[in-house]
Amino acid sequence: AQSVTQPDIHITVSEGASLELRCNYSYGATPYLFWYVQSPGQGLQLLLKYFSGDTLVQGIKGFEAEFKRSQSSFNLRKPSVHWSDAAEYFCAVVVMTTDSWGKLQFGAGTQVVVTP
Amino acid sequence: KAGVTQTPRYLIKTRGQQVTLSCSPISGHRSVSWYQQTPGQGLQFLFEYFSETQRNKGNFPGRFSGRQFSNSRSEMNVSTLELGDSALYLCASSLAGTSSNEQYFGPGTRLTVT
Repeated sequence: AQSVTQPDIHITVSEGASLELRCNYSYGATPYLFWYVQSPGQGLQLLLKYFSGDTLVQGIKGFEAEFKRSQSSFNLRKPSVHWSDAAEYFCAVVVMTTDSWGKLQFGAGTQVVVTP
Repeated sequence: KAGVTQTPRYLIKTRGQQVTLSCSPISGHRSVSWYQQTPGQGLQFLFEYFSETQRNKGNFPGRFSGRQFSNSRSEMNVSTLELGDSALYLCASSLAGTSSNEQYFGPGTRLTVT
């Protein structure tokens, strides 16, 4: 079955430390891949996307993600987190099929807590 | 350019009532998708509209419906509300709704059903 998995429900990281959030997908073809962030009480903000080409993509707020086809993964990273990075992060995918119009499939999300 | 706007931001309704939520996409965006977010089920796709036509629909009962107007603004309606309909309803717009078009989300409407 097609799925998006974020193995970590909750991650705690110290301010200034590095952060890596995992995302794995299970689809027959390479999907279009996205990372979104949601702050409390807010909608989703697009951090970055991967469609094709260079497998390391840069996004906003100092985030980057690496696509690894062999591992069906699209992990999000940030070298040094700031307290304002505390939020919930969602990996999302779209696969070009006849029923894919406007439909993002989301992982369950990873809650990131930043400690002083 | 203004972002996606949703109204109202908060809503409290009683079981059995109906509700209409509104979404105004980013100027120039012609596709609007709707999602339901709950703690238990996460983010689930409701439906997508493009040029006033529903092109895709998620696995929700017929009580959930929507429409899109000629200016791309969209509304979704939930009839005969149930307690389980309490959720954050998010709409997202994209240029044409193809898989390669990223979606931009509004702040959501928090619906509470009592």
